[in-house]
Amino acid sequence: AQSVTQPDIHITVSEGASLELRCNYSYGATPYLFWYVQSPGQGLQLLLKYFSGDTLVQGIKGFEAEFKRSQSSFNLRKPSVHWSDAAEYFCAVAVSKTSYDKVIFGPGTSLSVIP
Amino acid sequence: GAGVSQSPRYKVAKRGQDVALRCDPISGHVSLFWYQQALGQGPEFLTYFQNEAQLDKSGLPSDRFFAERPEGSVSTLKIQRTQQEDSAVYLCASSPITRSSQYFGPGTRLTVT
Repeated sequence: AQSVTQPDIHITVSEGASLELRCNYSYGATPYLFWYVQSPGQGLQLLLKYFSGDTLVQGIKGFEAEFKRSQSSFNLRKPSVHWSDAAEYFCAVAVSKTSYDKVIFGPGTSLSVIP
Repeated sequence: GAGVSQSPRYKVAKRGQDVALRCDPISGHVSLFWYQQALGQGPEFLTYFQNEAQLDKSGLPSDRFFAERPEGSVSTLKIQRTQQEDSAVYLCASSPITRSSQYFGPGTRLTVT
């Protein structure tokens, strides 16, 4: 069955430090992959997506992610974290159905930023 | 432009009550999704509409859950005889075509007491 795992439930980093959030997926076909961010009391905002092509994807707010098919991974990175990046981060994979894509989310990684 | 809106933002229901949650998608968006997000979890798929047609309701947890989108725009998720395990945030998302990124609303936090 299709699934997404995010091994880190919670991560704490210092402001200005680099960040990497891990994501692994299980899906037999070529995946469509996403990273979303959710601030407290808010809906999900799309950070970036991978559909095809260049495996290094740039997103909003200075985030990037790299698709590695051999490792079934889509890790999210940011070179320098800002206090405002503290939030919940969700990795997701789109599973192709007959006429639409069903999105399966991982359990999320909670990011805390120390000033 | 206007994003996806949901109402109410917060709902407290006593066990056994019926509730109705509304989603206003982005105008012209063909696809509409409902998700349930339990505390500390990722969103879980409930149901999918393509225009007014409900093409997938495999994620609805029981027959107490019902969703509709009669004119292919606004959607309502109804939960009958609410139970404590229904307490969650219910998220709505829409997308302009059948295969594209989804835009999420702020969610409705349902608390069943």
